[in-house]
Amino acid sequence: NAGVTQTPKFQVLKTGQSMTLQCAQDMNHEYMSWYRQDPGMGLRLIHYSVGAGITDQGEVPNGYNVSRSTTEDFPLRLLSAAPSQTSVYFCASSYRRALMNTEAFFGQGTRLTVV
Amino acid sequence: DAKTTQPPSMDCAEGRAANLPCNHSTISGNEYVYWYRQIHSQGPQYIIHGLKNNETNEMASLIITEDRKSSTLILPHATLRDTAVYYCIVRSRSGSARQLTFGSGTQLTVLP
Repeated sequence: NAGVTQTPKFQVLKTGQSMTLQCAQDMNHEYMSWYRQDPGMGLRLIHYSVGAGITDQGEVPNGYNVSRSTTEDFPLRLLSAAPSQTSVYFCASSYRRALMNTEAFFGQGTRLTVV
Repeated sequence: DAKTTQPPSMDCAEGRAANLPCNHSTISGNEYVYWYRQIHSQGPQYIIHGLKNNETNEMASLIITEDRKSSTLILPHATLRDTAVYYCIVRSRSGSARQLTFGSGTQLTVLP
């Protein structure tokens, strides 16, 4: 049981490049979400998904796309990287029902620098 | 979801109890109080949650006031490894509200 796995751990991009941050979980969680964390700040929600085929925007969705074709995977795509997207990105997952108030599990983060 | 207010920083001596307060005066009846912590930019880690009764697990205790407008997270015997940012989050039970709203948290520093 690996929990929530994010790849890569570190990435440097040039302005205008695109890339996909990967997130996978092996706990059969329905809910998955992406956050970004800028220095000295709390986490801000980018996008989230309540199940395969369903996604929705969070607080700061501009410049990012997501899809959820399987329960296990929730990739985050940067369409055209900008220096303002330099941040640490965290993926999280949790159960949906029955244990409705169970905790969220977080990955270890992807540190992205856009130059 | 209700907003929370936490002190920006606290110190605690190693081996002593760390008491971290959180105000959530606008909490509604169906909202739970959750605590997470983040150690040195790692992914946040769940600690404990509660609705209105005090809760205890192997990591910590959560004390919620009777009017539910505030709560205190207690680490009974703080160690250096408990140095982290602690987030108090209030979240509704709505099935769509899987996202967590993080504030700035409290930086707890455990001193040797």
